[in-house]
Amino acid sequence: GENVEQHPSTLSVQEGDSAVIKCTYSDSASNYFPWYKQELGKGPQLIIDIRSNVGEKKDQRIAVTLNKTAKHFSLHITETQPEDSAVYFCAASWNYGGSQGNLIFGKGTKLSVKP
Amino acid sequence: DAGVTQSPTHLIKTRGQQVTLRCSPKSGHDTVSWYQQALGQGPQFIFQYYEEEERQRGNFPDRFSGHQFPNYSSELNVNALLLGDSALYLCASSFLLQGSETQYFGPGTRLLVL
Repeated sequence: GENVEQHPSTLSVQEGDSAVIKCTYSDSASNYFPWYKQELGKGPQLIIDIRSNVGEKKDQRIAVTLNKTAKHFSLHITETQPEDSAVYFCAASWNYGGSQGNLIFGKGTKLSVKP
Repeated sequence: DAGVTQSPTHLIKTRGQQVTLRCSPKSGHDTVSWYQQALGQGPQFIFQYYEEEERQRGNFPDRFSGHQFPNYSSELNVNALLLGDSALYLCASSFLLQGSETQYFGPGTRLLVL
């Protein structure tokens, strides 16, 4: 089955710096890659996603890149702010009977942005 | 527009007991997925309900069962609770549009088994 590995497990940056989180997946059938942000005591919140027919997607300070050949995708956060501090999860999914299959998550990256 | 809601927020049970968790999907969503998130880990897929039937199931024992109602809300039932069932249980809802489906999560129910 699909396996998603996420690195690093913790990341500390200075406010204003960039942060990059990387994930690799094992199943070449995976075609959907969302990123979620989870704050303490809350459920995961979708921040950006990308599908396999696109190599890069950007939304303000957040961007995601996908390399299908190497089976890896990355989250880039620019101009980090203290409110970006949270745990970030990558996930992978695939087509399942005409719908989207379940999400397989990485183990998470705890991002700390120091003022 | 209300997002995904879950109840209760917290729950304490003892080993061997049974528990029922509830989820109301985001307005317009017809599919509900349940995940278990152990402390410090990523969510793990339990099962997914669509049109009141279990459509997909993860690697969880049949002590975990569910139901979806005609209004698309869903319940997760866990029988014969074990200490290892202590976790945050997350519900996610989605709607298939042009072949793609995005899952939106609720705040979760934190279950503690003593």
